[in-house]
Amino acid sequence: GQQLNQSPQSMFIQEGEDVSMNCTSSSIFNTWLWYKQDPGEGPVLLIALYKAGELTSNGRLTAQFGITRKDSFLNISASIPSDVGIYFCAGQWKEAQKLVFGQGTRLTINP
Amino acid sequence: NAGVTQTPKFQVLKTGQSMTLQCAQDMNHNSMYWYRQDPGMGLRLIYYSASEGTTDKGEVPNGYNVSRLNKREFSLRLESAAPSQTSVYFCASSEARPYEQYFGPGTRLTVT
Repeated sequence: GQQLNQSPQSMFIQEGEDVSMNCTSSSIFNTWLWYKQDPGEGPVLLIALYKAGELTSNGRLTAQFGITRKDSFLNISASIPSDVGIYFCAGQWKEAQKLVFGQGTRLTINP
Repeated sequence: NAGVTQTPKFQVLKTGQSMTLQCAQDMNHNSMYWYRQDPGMGLRLIYYSASEGTTDKGEVPNGYNVSRLNKREFSLRLESAAPSQTSVYFCASSEARPYEQYFGPGTRLTVT
């Protein structure tokens, strides 16, 4: 089946630093989405991308749909304590009515 | 507007017991999904329902059954629970396009 490789698996940063993470696949995707999961809760949609090359922002978060349609990137600028959590990428391919998820990037912020 | 709701929040079962996890959404979405989340494994699709009256297997369907009761409700049943089914289960819903899925708060299941 389809697989997404998300990296890094974990990040330990200082408050105020910028964060970058990415997701790659051997297959072409039509849609890329980024979710955040807080402890004990369900994932929450952050950003959705629908066109190759698209760059979309949501506050301090910026995500890009790679030109090859096989990757996507998420950047967080000037991290704050509430950014702590697990970030997941997800992709939709062809006309499938379902998503495939990456393994997640766990973000920890040192005080 | 509650979004996606799941019951129960927590459950402990003994091996061989059965139970049904309930999910409901009030966003008038056509598609609904069941996932399980295990440490380091991300979210894996168990079953999904693209529209009322249809269900399809996902990546890990063995040991589970589903029922799309109506447009709002999609239940997941474990007929004979096994320790390997200890996990956190999430329900989600979306429109056919643009494929943005919205998740419930999860059910934490332990099978002993």
